[in-house]
Order: sequence, then C-alpha cells, then structure tokens
Amino acid sequence: ELQLVESGGGLVQPGGSLRLSCAASGLTVSSNYMTWIRQAPGKGLEWVSVIYSGGGTNYADSVKGRFTISRDNSKNTVFLQMDSLRTEDTAVYYCVRDLYYLDVWGQGTTVTVSS
Amino acid sequence: EVVLTQSPGILSLSPGERATLSCRASETISSTYLAWYQQKPGQPPRLLIHDASSRASGIPDRFSGSGSGTDFSLTISSLEPADFAVYYCQQSTSQPYTFGQGTKLEIK
Repeated sequence: ELQLVESGGGLVQPGGSLRLSCAASGLTVSSNYMTWIRQAPGKGLEWVSVIYSGGGTNYADSVKGRFTISRDNSKNTVFLQMDSLRTEDTAVYYCVRDLYYLDVWGQGTTVTVSS
Repeated sequence: EVVLTQSPGILSLSPGERATLSCRASETISSTYLAWYQQKPGQPPRLLIHDASSRASGIPDRFSGSGSGTDFSLTISSLEPADFAVYYCQQSTSQPYTFGQGTKLEIK
C-alpha cells in the first residue's frame, strides 16, 4: 500500500521555524516528484513546493526564500524546512506524490503561526 | 500563472440527480494536465480524474470528466449520499500548479 505520513506541525510564533517530515512507504521518494500542498483553515488548496526525482526544486512565490524542500533517500523521507514563518502560513500541509496529477496524499500536518 | 475558475460555487442537488461542475482556465491548457479531486471534511483530497477524462483507480464510473482548451467539466451521473463534498480542479500544465476555488456539492 502506498502511504505518506507527515509530521512536525505545531504552534509557532511569527518569525519562527518548523521542519515538516513526510515518511513514504510503498513508493520511493527519489524516483518520484514529491510535492507539498497546503490548505488554510476554511480555504482552498495551494501548491507550495516540489522536489523532482533529479533533485531539482521549485517553490511558490509566497514561500520562496523562506521554505526549503529536501529529501533523505536513505530514510525515504521528504522534508519542508519553514523559516521566517508568517501568520498567513497557517494551514494543513499535505505531502503528495506528483505524477502531474496528485495521486497519493498524506493525512496532513497542521501548522499554526500565532503569537 | 494559470487561474482556474470553478462554477457554481455551491450546487444543491438531491441524491439520484445528475451533477455537472465546471472549471474554466484563464489560458489554454493541455488536457493531459487537468485533474479533479474530491475532498470531505477533515480528509485530504482524493484524486478522481486525471488527464481531463481518465478515472483514477477505484473511482466509480458515475464520475466522468470532459473538456479541452479552457473549458472542462466533471459530471456525476447519479448522485449518491457519499458524493456530497467539495470538488477541486487542478492544472499542472505550467508551474505553479494551481487549483480552482472549489465547488461545494450539498444535499438539497
């Protein structure tokens, strides 16, 4: 069974940092495009970042320069390092396999940025 | 970036009725890169349709997708109680990937 499990969310003050993890089973993160999607409370879906199978990365303008996506092939895990967090980053963050369509989703981890 | 506009925002129908949801793109996109998702409260989205008209694994055949260019639609032929949810279209023809704002399908 293909599974993605996110962790690392929590409550953080504006300007703070968090590191999200996405542990994969049943699929190999280094062989896939892996994407983070977020959803603010009561809002729609927003694409955040992707790491390509070749290791390249891309970011939404709203997080560029503040977020960093990476992976650890030995742990089959993808990470999202989030720095300089803002209140508008408050959302559920989903880790997703990207085949141009998004076919495997984790359950999400909640990030709350508030003082 | 490609803007996707979904209509209607809310669709009120009864079980057994046919539902048609629309997704319009701000520029021409390839059908290969248009997908539809269903989301229920407290759950992640679930892939329904990819490549505009291909059902994802395990999706019942009452769900169908169509369209090309800038106009796409999702049709549910006969609504079942489990189908009442929020539906999103998404394009991956260019970065950043974008989603429509969603159509909420509610029970009338």
